[in-house]
Amino acid sequence: AQSVAQPEDQVNVAEGNPLTVKCTYSVSGNPYLFWYVQYPNRGLQFLLKYITGDNLVKGSYGFEAEFNKSQTSFHLKKPSALVSDSALYFCAVRGPPTYNNNDMRFGAGTRLTVKP
Amino acid sequence: AAGVIQSPRHLIKEKRETATLKCYPIPRHDTVYWYQQGPGQDPQFLISFYEKMQSDKGSIPDRFSAQQFSDYHSELNMSSLELGDSALYFCASSMGQGNTEAFFGQGTRLTVV
Repeated sequence: AQSVAQPEDQVNVAEGNPLTVKCTYSVSGNPYLFWYVQYPNRGLQFLLKYITGDNLVKGSYGFEAEFNKSQTSFHLKKPSALVSDSALYFCAVRGPPTYNNNDMRFGAGTRLTVKP
Repeated sequence: AAGVIQSPRHLIKEKRETATLKCYPIPRHDTVYWYQQGPGQDPQFLISFYEKMQSDKGSIPDRFSAQQFSDYHSELNMSSLELGDSALYFCASSMGQGNTEAFFGQGTRLTVV
């Protein structure tokens, strides 16, 4: 079954600096990869996804992610962090569509704190 | 734009009671997912429906059941509630399956006392 790992529980960056939130995945076949952000007491908000094509995916709020097949990674990045980016970030994966394969597996989450 | 609507937003139940959580997907979305998120934990997939049929099943306890109705809304029924069922329950919807992103509701916070 597909799975993702987010090796860092917490990432701290200074406002204006670049940020990276790491994610690695494990799946049979080509993965569908997603990043979501969760603010306190809110539902998960979709940021971006990789399905196929260009390895660099651009998403909402200036975020982007780079798909690296050889390293089985899908790290989330932003060139210049904002204090308002502080939130919980989840990486998620779905395997290739097969019968009964709707299971989107989430990582444990990484708490991003951007300090002024 | 219309979002996923969940009701109620908060629910307090006693042990061994039953609870019903409702989810109204984004219009024209045909797939609904249910997730359970415990305090400080990642969302755990419970169950999903596509075109009113169960399409996938995760870690949903036997005490829970769910269905998707003809208008595509879904209900999660929880019986014999336990303290450990206290969590945030999210519903998400998508158009189709596989490579489409899911959009999440605000969640229902269930507290079992």
